[in-house]
Amino acid sequence: SQELEQSPQSLIVQEGKNLTINCTSSKTLYGLYWYKQKYGEGLIFLMMLQKGGEEKSHEKITAKLDEKKQQSSLHITASQPSHAGIYLCGAYGGSGNTGKLIFGQGTTLQVKP
Amino acid sequence: DSGVTQTPKHLITATGQRVTLRCSPRSGDLSVYWYQQSLDQGLQFLIQYYNGEERAKGNILERFSAQQFPDLHSELNLSSLELGDSALYFCASSVGQGVRSEQFFGPGTRLTVL
Repeated sequence: SQELEQSPQSLIVQEGKNLTINCTSSKTLYGLYWYKQKYGEGLIFLMMLQKGGEEKSHEKITAKLDEKKQQSSLHITASQPSHAGIYLCGAYGGSGNTGKLIFGQGTTLQVKP
Repeated sequence: DSGVTQTPKHLITATGQRVTLRCSPRSGDLSVYWYQQSLDQGLQFLIQYYNGEERAKGNILERFSAQQFPDLHSELNLSSLELGDSALYFCASSVGQGVRSEQFFGPGTRLTVL
């Protein structure tokens, strides 16, 4: 079965610093989602990448999909305390036309003011 | 606010009991998904419904069942509860049934089994 591995598992950065979170799949990626979660709360949709080489940005967050490497990266520029939380990547984990997603274990980000 | 609503927000019950979690999808969304999030297993897919019909199943226990009603809201029924069922249960919804249809998550129901 497909697995997603995120690295690093946790990250502490100083406010204003840039950072990157990676998500690597054990199988071919057919679409990749990024979500943000505050501890114990719901997931906030950030971006969905569908094609290899695709890059999307939302405010100071940029995500890329590298199909050949079966990997996606999430880059935050000039981090702020509001960026703190758990970042989860999700990918298609089924067969046929379904929306079954599997998720990585999450990356916990702390931003020190 | 994603537009997906879940009730109740918190639920505390005892082992052996049965509970029902409710989800209302975003207006216009036909797919509803249920996920379970626990510390040891992470976020796991349970089941998907599309326009009232089951579309995909994950590692959902036989003690768990779900359905989607004609008005598109969904319920997840958990029975013969065990301590290990304590988790956050999320509902998500999307317009379409495939993976290219963005999924929006509700705030979750925190279930505590004592």
